[in-house]
Amino acid sequence: AQSVTQLDSQVPVFEEAPVELRCNYSSSVSVYLFWYVQYPNQGLQLLLKYLSGSTLVKGINGFEAEFNKSQTSFHLRKPSVHISDTAEYFCAVSDGPGNTGKLIFGQGTTLQVKP
Amino acid sequence: DSGVTQTPKHLITATGQRVTLRCSPRSGDLSVYWYQQSLDQGLQFLIQYYNGEERAKGNILERFSAQQFPDLHSELNLSSLELGDSALYFCASSISGANVLTFGAGSRLTVL
Repeated sequence: AQSVTQLDSQVPVFEEAPVELRCNYSSSVSVYLFWYVQYPNQGLQLLLKYLSGSTLVKGINGFEAEFNKSQTSFHLRKPSVHISDTAEYFCAVSDGPGNTGKLIFGQGTTLQVKP
Repeated sequence: DSGVTQTPKHLITATGQRVTLRCSPRSGDLSVYWYQQSLDQGLQFLIQYYNGEERAKGNILERFSAQQFPDLHSELNLSSLELGDSALYFCASSISGANVLTFGAGSRLTVL
């Protein structure tokens, strides 16, 4: 069965500092990997996805993530955060091509950007 | 606006009651997914429909049921409600099993 572990429940960081949100997954088959962001009182918005190809994936709002198959990780990074990046971030895995497409989510990481 | 419409946005009801949550997927999307978000359980996959047929089932209670209609909108029915059913319920849609899900804004259910 697939699972996702987000290693940090909360990450406080100062504005303009770099940040990394960590995600590890467990799966016995090829996977697709995703990061979603949830701003307060809103739905989930796709930040970026890894389906195949280059292991470095660039997303919206200056975020990027690197797929590391040997370490089964998909960490999210941003070189310089803004106050507006304060939100809940979710890593998710799905079971790859030819399957249902449902996503299994991690527990989420709260990014708190301080001025 | 993501293109996925959920109604109602907020719902307050009492234990033992029954409610229906409605979801209209993005135009062209055939798959609908339902998720429950609560503080203690996080985001839990409930059920998926594809073009009217149930495709995958997750941690959905027997008191809950769903269906997808010919016009592709979906309804999630929650019955014999308990306090623990209070949560945010999200609907998402995708073209097929294309894996990129677009989420609605959610329906917040409060059971008193």
